[in-house]
Amino acid sequence: AQKITQTQPGMFVQEKEAVTLDCTYDTSDQSYGLFWYKQPSSGEMIFLIYQGSYDEQNATEGRYSLNFQKARKSANLVISASQLGDSAMYFCAMRETYNAGNMLTFGGGTRLMVKP
Amino acid sequence: DTEVTQTPKHLVMGMTNKKSLKCEQHMGHRAMYWYKQKAKKPPELMFVYSYEKLSINESVPSRFSPECPNSSLLNLHLHALQPEDSALYLCASSQEKVGSGANVLTFGAGSRLTVL
Repeated sequence: AQKITQTQPGMFVQEKEAVTLDCTYDTSDQSYGLFWYKQPSSGEMIFLIYQGSYDEQNATEGRYSLNFQKARKSANLVISASQLGDSAMYFCAMRETYNAGNMLTFGGGTRLMVKP
Repeated sequence: DTEVTQTPKHLVMGMTNKKSLKCEQHMGHRAMYWYKQKAKKPPELMFVYSYEKLSINESVPSRFSPECPNSSLLNLHLHALQPEDSALYLCASSQEKVGSGANVLTFGAGSRLTVL
């Protein structure tokens, strides 16, 4: 069974508008971490934001915020004021505490395209 | 500039060749990872090194041979590869603190491998 699901293969957003990228996850762990990474066409995976399962506040990092709904097991990424440079693949990922080290399980990704 | 450096950026090799991918980090991280990413797919974990010892091998074929000479370097030796091994190979590193805090994986820009 998929542990991380991103239901939007591709999305368009108008420059300067906000966009929400969906992510749902499945775990029986009580303690886990959720991450969002951005991957431009150059290939590098760029860390954007992190949410711990015990964090009561939604994480924010500049224009990025994470809408964490624990009961629904969702961790949606919100990008405010989209810029052309935001066009990229976005991956949601989860780390579960039983993992040795800090292995991440990735979702299938969402390709975001920002229109001028 | 990325803090994880991968070389070469591009590699083309025949099925009988022997080549190596290299990864270097100077962040003091004690966990290092190899991921394989096929086109339009999420990264898939191959190997994890913790304190220079191989801790996880995700059932990777023996034609891929990892090596961690010291805490800053990670190599992936390639021999007798198949065309289906063509992919982006991503190296990452993180602190070695199991299950605590964000412990963000920092990725390199990847080595794009083509097997003819």
